[in-house]
Amino acid sequence: ILNVEQSPQSLHVQEGDSTNFTCSFPSSNFYALHWYRWETAKSPEALFVMTLNGDEKKKGRISATLNTKEGYSYLYIKGSQPEDSATYLCARRSSGSARQLTFGSGTQLTVLP
Amino acid sequence: EPEVTQTPSHQVTQMGQEVILRCVPISNHLYFYWYRQILGQKVEFLVSFYNNEISEKSEIFDDQFSVERPDGSNFTLKIRSTKLEDSAMYFCASSASGSRNTQYFGPGTRLTVL
Repeated sequence: ILNVEQSPQSLHVQEGDSTNFTCSFPSSNFYALHWYRWETAKSPEALFVMTLNGDEKKKGRISATLNTKEGYSYLYIKGSQPEDSATYLCARRSSGSARQLTFGSGTQLTVLP
Repeated sequence: EPEVTQTPSHQVTQMGQEVILRCVPISNHLYFYWYRQILGQKVEFLVSFYNNEISEKSEIFDDQFSVERPDGSNFTLKIRSTKLEDSAMYFCASSASGSRNTQYFGPGTRLTVL
């Protein structure tokens, strides 16, 4: 059974603070790690797809790193804004022809003005 | 920007009834997926579809479920005889060809089975 875990489950930060959260996953048969940002009543928005150990991706104030050997990824938000409030989901894809994603429970971020 | 759309946004049905959830994937995508999230649980994979056939499915996707691409644009999920435990948010996703491509999700259909 593949278990993708995210921590913390929820997080409240003040506007302007930087924050980060963790996604951990089984490292064997790993192919790719996806990050999504999901606001209530909207489509989950794709942020990053990472495949290589040591990968770092950046999109504006959001960045992510990947360690495939130990099985974790960090998502960082620099200078959080209220509009960053959302649930951040990570999802793992295994190697082989299967494309299904296995999701974590998500980290619910609330940025207080 | 192209997006995946889903209809209806909310469907209420009686136990035992058939429901069809509809999705319009991004137009040049070749891979299509259904996922669901039961309230309070993780998003779970149901099925993927490529070249007009199911390419993989989970244990959840039993004989009560079927998928179809009836024309060049729609992708549907049918549940033949709904159960209370089918109540969930159902997400459609699509991705382009190429093994590392992002799966783009629709906004979901909330299915409530009474």
